[in-house]
Amino acid sequence: DVKVTQSSRYLVKRTGEKVFLECVQDMDHENMFWYRQDPGLGLRLIYFSYDVKMKEKGDIPEGYSVSREKKERFSLILESASTNQTSMYLCASSFQVGEQYFGPGTRLTVT
Amino acid sequence: GESVGLHLPTLSVQEGDNSIINCAYSNSASDYFIWYKQESGKGPQFIIDIRSNMDKRQGQRVTVLLNKTVKHLSLQIAATQPGDSAVYFCAENPNRDDKIIFGKGTRLHILP
Repeated sequence: DVKVTQSSRYLVKRTGEKVFLECVQDMDHENMFWYRQDPGLGLRLIYFSYDVKMKEKGDIPEGYSVSREKKERFSLILESASTNQTSMYLCASSFQVGEQYFGPGTRLTVT
Repeated sequence: GESVGLHLPTLSVQEGDNSIINCAYSNSASDYFIWYKQESGKGPQFIIDIRSNMDKRQGQRVTVLLNKTVKHLSLQIAATQPGDSAVYFCAENPNRDDKIIFGKGTRLHILP
């Protein structure tokens, strides 16, 4: 059974804190993605990676960075969290273009 | 710019009836389309996909129709059940890379 896991389901951080969101997939997929999901805006791509140590900006990369040191793990980093980064964060993986498998999401609240 | 949208943010359907969820896309170069279902508290889950060389594809209780002339995509769910209650997203692949663009979603309510 394919699986994408995210390190936390719920997270509360203070403004200015550094935040790490971890994502692990067990399908040996090349591609991994980070999205944020906000009411009325759907899913918006933050960053994606098509190989180890490779990364590409998505549509809304500002305020975020990523790390992919191992094929199975893709981390999203908020260097200095702000209240407008309160959102649901979804990680996904895929083998080439096609079906993306999503994790359960991390609901981040920045106070 | 590129966009993938849905005609209705919310759709209410009687249990047992067929549901039709619509989606419009703007990029004529898109050659791959996907429908996802997101249940409350979960990440999106793949339902069905279709490539631009097809105009219809059927799965189990679901059918996707693609009209490239008017850039319209629809998802039909036969005999809607309570478990179909979710938000449905269409997505397109406009650049032939590995990214897809998601629409804003339609929430499907099932009436008893």
